This record gives sequence, structure tokens and C-alpha cells, in this order.
Amino acid sequence: DAKTTQPNSMESNEEEPVHLPCNHSTISGTDYIHWYRQLPSQGPEYVIHGLTSNVNNRMASLAIAEDRKSSTLILHRATLRDAAVYYCIPDSGAGSYQLTFGKGTKLSVIP
Amino acid sequence: DGGITQSPKYLFRKEGQNVTLSCEQNLNHDAMYWYRQDPGQGLRLIYYSQIVNDFQKGDIAEGYSVSREKKESFPLTVTSAQKNPTAFYLCASRTDGATNQPQHFGDGTRLSIL
Repeated sequence: DAKTTQPNSMESNEEEPVHLPCNHSTISGTDYIHWYRQLPSQGPEYVIHGLTSNVNNRMASLAIAEDRKSSTLILHRATLRDAAVYYCIPDSGAGSYQLTFGKGTKLSVIP
Repeated sequence: DGGITQSPKYLFRKEGQNVTLSCEQNLNHDAMYWYRQDPGQGLRLIYYSQIVNDFQKGDIAEGYSVSREKKESFPLTVTSAQKNPTAFYLCASRTDGATNQPQHFGDGTRLSIL
């Protein structure tokens, strides 16, 4: 399994953009990069995923480095509801049976 | 709305007792998973099932058992052999086990020892 490195914690002011980085230097060429977030006492929630190209959805954007060794989750305008632990997870898809969750990045949003 | 329902939200176990955690999904997903989360830690896989009547052990299956008699249901039993069962238990499902599609999670069951 590819290993990931994320900052333990980050802070952002409300209404400002947030860039959450993730290093996954051992990712294989077929691994998708998934991002999930988890609010306190809740199950993880899918945010976004991508393979090579940058991706956008209603929740966030995902910027993937050209060499695929890192990616950045972008929240365009942080709200208090975005305060959560964010997990970056390489997922090989075919033949994979689990997602390997590390400790993630705890995002605090300051009003 | 489609989703995953876990019950109960809170559960207490006495010494030597088996307890069963319920997980039901109406997403028509083939694959289902059970994870355990300890405070401040990531998720660890207990068991998973890719089709009805079939399931496989994950990384920490000792002291747990599962069944998959129906596509919609994947109950987890925490047996008395599990000596440290206090944790947050999460059930998830996925379209099938061979795609890169996201996993959908329930809201979890928090298990404590009396």
C-alpha cells in the first residue's frame, strides 16, 4: 500500500480558502487518490477523488501534481462546518478491499 | 434517501458477553466493510464481504465474527474473546470490491465495557 504524509493539524479563518496537502510518493500508476473527512463522532464522508487530472465537485477541488507524488485538497471558502479530520487515501480500485486510513489532518476553522 | 444505517448508536457490554452491531444498507452495494476506530487513530479493517454468503478477515479479525446472509445486511458480533472491545465501530459499503468508487459510511456504534 502507498504511504501518505499529511500535516497533523491546520487552521483557517472562516470564508478563506484552505489548501490541505498530502504526499504519496510511493503511489502506483493506477491508484486513485481519495479524500474523506470525518466530523467528531460521525463516520467518514467522501469528499472527492481523482487519478491524474485536477477534479472539481460541489464540495472541493483536488489538484494532483504532474508526477502524482502529491496532491492538494482545496476548500474554496472554509465554513465552520468544514472543521473535521481530512484523510488522503490512495486506492488501487480493482482487487482492493479496504481503504487505509492514517491519522489525517485536523482542520480548525476560526470564526 | 439511500444510505447506511448502524444501530445502536451506543452499546454497553458486560464481561463475558457477546454483542451484535447492526449494519443495513439500501444502496444496492455488493461490498460491505467493518472498521474499528480507537481515539485519535485512523480506521482499521475488521472484516469485509464482497458478495452474499462470502466474507474475509481484515487486519484485526480476532474476537469478532460476521455473517452476510442478505445483500443489505452485514452484522458484526463482538465476542467475549475480544479483550479490548471499547471503540467506535464503523460500517461501510461500496458498489463492489473491484472499483475505485467511494465507500459510504454509517454514523457508527460506540461500544463500551460496563
